[in-house]
Amino acid sequence: DVKVTQSSRYLVKRTGEKVFLECVQDMDHENMFWYRQDPGLGLRLIYFSYDVKMKEKGDIPEGYSVSREKKERFSLILESASTNQTSMYLCASSFGGSGRDTQYFGPGTRLTVL
Amino acid sequence: AQSVTQPDIHITVSEGASLELRCNYSYGATPYLFWYVQSPGQGLQLLLKYFSGDTLVQGIKGFEAEFKRSQSSFNLRKPSVHWSDAAEYFCAVGAGGTSYGKLTFGQGTILTVHP
Repeated sequence: DVKVTQSSRYLVKRTGEKVFLECVQDMDHENMFWYRQDPGLGLRLIYFSYDVKMKEKGDIPEGYSVSREKKERFSLILESASTNQTSMYLCASSFGGSGRDTQYFGPGTRLTVL
Repeated sequence: AQSVTQPDIHITVSEGASLELRCNYSYGATPYLFWYVQSPGQGLQLLLKYFSGDTLVQGIKGFEAEFKRSQSSFNLRKPSVHWSDAAEYFCAVGAGGTSYGKLTFGQGTILTVHP
């Protein structure tokens, strides 16, 4: 069965801290994605990766970076957390680069920045 | 660039009533269309998807959706809603070519089901 796991369900950090959100998929998928979800705004793409060490900016990359050293793991990094980064973060993966491919989602990490 | 609009932020229905959630998309070519559901505290789960062919698509949990090119719509329907259908529903559009499988999501529709 398809599985995408995220390292934490809930996270509380202080302004200015460096924050790491981890995502692991066990499906040998090529593509991985990080979204943030805010009420009334739906899901917005932060970054995605189509291969190991390859990454592309999404729609809202400012204040974030990513790392993909292994195929199964995709990390989202907040270099210096700010209160406006308080949100739900969702990781997803898909098999290939076709727009037809289903994205499989993790349960999400609810991040609060104080 | 593609976009998706879900006009209804919140819908309330009674259990056993029929349901229709609206989705309008903007995309130059034939789109790849998806409906996902997010139950409270959960990630998103795929309900159904449309690529081509029959414009009426069947999904899981008794849901179906109809693609109407002339109206740029992909509305989700269910004939009889169950209390367990209470969730947030997202419509999404994917592009072909070198899009790397990126999806553009709508704002979401929250469904409340009254007993």
